[in-house]
Amino acid sequence: EEQLVESGGGSIQPGGSLRLSCAASGFTVSSNYMSWVRQAPGKGLEWVSVIYSGGGTYYAGSVKGRFTISRDSSMNTLYLQMNSLRADDTAMYYCARDSRGPFQWGQGTLVTVSS
Amino acid sequence: DIQMTQSPSSLSASVGDRVTITCRASQGIGNDLGWYQQIPGKAPKRLIYAASTLQSGVPSRFSGSGSGTEFTLTISSLQPEDFATYYCLQHNSYPLTFGGGTKVEIK
Repeated sequence: EEQLVESGGGSIQPGGSLRLSCAASGFTVSSNYMSWVRQAPGKGLEWVSVIYSGGGTYYAGSVKGRFTISRDSSMNTLYLQMNSLRADDTAMYYCARDSRGPFQWGQGTLVTVSS
Repeated sequence: DIQMTQSPSSLSASVGDRVTITCRASQGIGNDLGWYQQIPGKAPKRLIYAASTLQSGVPSRFSGSGSGTEFTLTISSLQPEDFATYYCLQHNSYPLTFGGGTKVEIK
């Protein structure tokens, strides 16, 4: 069964760092486009970042320079390294397999940035 | 960045009603548009991609149309499990952008 399972969320103070993980099963992360999408409490969906099957990356302007998307082929896992976290980064973070847009989603991991 | 304007932001409807949601892109995106359903507390679920192609397993009461800058999601006969929030997403160019969402509530 194809599945995505996120982990690594939690509470962190402003300015801190956190690394999210997304473990995939049933398919190969490195052969797919993989995205991160977030949703602030009570708000809409916001696309965050993508890593192409070829390894290229792209980021939303709101996170560029602070977040880094990567993958580990041996672990079949996607990551999102988040630095210089701000209160407005508070959100549920979803990883998703992407083909003509995200189509297979994990259950999400909650990140709360607060002092 | 391409802006996606979705309307209405909310609507009230009854079981059996026909419901239409519209999404407008700030520039032409061909048919690079998807529709998603989100039930509170759950991850989004893709209903339609390429503007009008039904995702496998999605009931046929959902349909999508449009191209260029104007797109529509139609639910032909609203069912109890369809009360949710719906989002459009353009995947024509990065950054991908979602519409603001349409909350479909029970009348």
